[in-house]
Amino acid sequence: AQKVTQAQTEISVVEKEDVTLDCVYETRDTTYYLFWYKQPPSGELVFLIRRNSFDEQNEISGRYSWNFQKSTSSFNFTITASQVVDSAVYFCALSEANNTDKLIFGTGTRLQVFP
Amino acid sequence: DADVTQTPRNRITKTGKRIMLECSQTKGHDRMYWYRQDPGLGLRLIYYSFDVKDINKGEISDGYSVSRQAQAKFSLSLESAIPNQTALYFCATQGQPQETQYFGPGTRLLVL
Repeated sequence: AQKVTQAQTEISVVEKEDVTLDCVYETRDTTYYLFWYKQPPSGELVFLIRRNSFDEQNEISGRYSWNFQKSTSSFNFTITASQVVDSAVYFCALSEANNTDKLIFGTGTRLQVFP
Repeated sequence: DADVTQTPRNRITKTGKRIMLECSQTKGHDRMYWYRQDPGLGLRLIYYSFDVKDINKGEISDGYSVSRQAQAKFSLSLESAIPNQTALYFCATQGQPQETQYFGPGTRLLVL
């Protein structure tokens, strides 16, 4: 069965600290896609990254980086030098190629960055 | 202008009332989805549509219905609203299989 687990319900850091948000997934498919979305206090969902199961290269985009490890079924997200504007709920999600592209979401991690 | 819009953005209604939430998109995508988000939970799929003639139930479709009036419009109806349908509702669009889903701004619904 497909499942996404974000064990960290809430994380609090002080500005400029690095923070890693964990995501562990379960799937039986060999072809799948992983996503991260950001939900700021205003409520909208902002797409951050999409990664397919055949590409295990880590990705960096500015202060954001993602570590995909199939061996541990994890797709962790790190924010370097966090800022107050990073305060949001972050969702990890899984889509299976054989499951009509339905997104299976984790329960989210609320990140609070204090000045 | 936003690519995916939802109306209304906020709505308060009473138990038993019928309510419709609307979603429009200018992305030209065939695939559209309705999700609901409850506090402390992720998003759960209500209905999805791969084209105007294709409507499918998601994991929590009971109490909801949908209408795909055109490629660009996908409406969600609560036939007889109940308090546990109080939630944040999102519409999403997708261009091709396995591509990213893009979300609208959400509709906050409160059922009293």
